[in-house]
Amino acid sequence: NAGVTQTPKFQVLKTGQSMTLQCAQDMNHEYMSWYRQDPGMGLRLIHYSVGAGITDQGEVPNGYNVSRSTTEDFPLRLLSAAPSQTSVYFCASSDLSRKVSPLHFGNGTRLTVT
Amino acid sequence: SQKIEQNSEALNIQEGKTATLTCNYTNYSPAYLQWYRQDPGRGPVFLLLIRENEKEKRKERLKVTFDTTLKQSLFHITASQPADSATYLCALDTGRRALTFGSGTRLQVQP
Repeated sequence: NAGVTQTPKFQVLKTGQSMTLQCAQDMNHEYMSWYRQDPGMGLRLIHYSVGAGITDQGEVPNGYNVSRSTTEDFPLRLLSAAPSQTSVYFCASSDLSRKVSPLHFGNGTRLTVT
Repeated sequence: SQKIEQNSEALNIQEGKTATLTCNYTNYSPAYLQWYRQDPGRGPVFLLLIRENEKEKRKERLKVTFDTTLKQSLFHITASQPADSATYLCALDTGRRALTFGSGTRLQVQP
């Protein structure tokens, strides 16, 4: 039972480079989301999706793009990386069939932008 | 905007004692509140959820209280063990299936 799988675990980028953080879940959850975690600031929501073909912005969406072509996958794209995007990124999913459902998190991608 | 405050200083307690962590919030009336545990290098793991109409919730050695008048939740771990050492996050429902998280409190249980 894999749950939420994130790849890669670590990544170093130079300013201006692009990359995609991958997230996959095998629980058939409709809801998926991306958070970033910075010291002293807690988890902040970047983008989320309530189903294939549907995405919406969270608290800190600038500099990030997402798409949801399947229920299982929710990649996060950085088009032109900036040092301010150095952070730990977490993907999370939950079951929308329940009125209240906890989030299931992956183990994160630690990104450094130099 | 919603603001959630958790004690940023680490909480150090002796094994066997009760750990009490605090979560205060402002500018919102959440329908429910959740607590998560996070170990270094890992993603948060869900522990407990409490609804606005519930005063208290228990799960094994864990107890959560929710006071909507004080806008505060308390998270208790009784008979604490070194394995309970971790960072504990509280999170509030802010609508649209979005959770707002506090920055967490690190708990260290000394043997």
